[in-house]
Amino acid sequence: AQSVTQLGSHVSVSEGALVLLRCNYSSSVPPYLFWYVQYPNQGLQLLLKYTSAATLVKGINGFEAEFKKSETSFHLTKPSAHMSDAAEYFCAVSIPSGTDKLIFGTGTRLQVFP
Amino acid sequence: NAGVMQNPRHLVRRRGQEARLRCSPMKGHSHVYWYRQLPEEGLKFMVYLQKENIIDESGMPKERFSAEFPKEGPSILRIQQVVRGDSAAYFCASSPGRKETQYFGPGTRLLVL
Repeated sequence: AQSVTQLGSHVSVSEGALVLLRCNYSSSVPPYLFWYVQYPNQGLQLLLKYTSAATLVKGINGFEAEFKKSETSFHLTKPSAHMSDAAEYFCAVSIPSGTDKLIFGTGTRLQVFP
Repeated sequence: NAGVMQNPRHLVRRRGQEARLRCSPMKGHSHVYWYRQLPEEGLKFMVYLQKENIIDESGMPKERFSAEFPKEGPSILRIQQVVRGDSAAYFCASSPGRKETQYFGPGTRLLVL
């Protein structure tokens, strides 16, 4: 079975500081990995996805994530936080040979202070 | 190109009533997924449908819940005899095909009194 663990349900950073949101996965086969962002009372928006090509994936809004098989991790980073980055971030996994269902972590709420 | 549409955005039901949630996928998308988000939790997969077919319903509760995606019209998630534990946000996502990105709607927030 596949699962996702997001360490830290809340992360707070100052504007301009590095953003690091952690995601570890468990999968018996090479997975696809995703990061989604959710703003209050809205649906989820895809930030980036890994589908077995380059291990460093660049997404929208300056975010990127690196797939590290040896660490079973897919941490999300952004060099400099903006106030507009405050939101809930979800890491998700799916199995390429499966039915495309996404298995989500419990989310990390990012707060950005001025 | 309009995004995924869900209605209603908010739905209030009393225990024992029925709830019908609608999802209109993006134009050209024939794959629909339903997820449920309980308070303070991540999204949980419920069901995956293509036009007129249920592909994967491994996340659907065995009783009271059903889903359809007819040839014409939106996908419907139906909850019969709702209970307070059904209170959650229900999200629909659509994609144009297998292994394609899923685009999410704004969700329907169901409150059961």
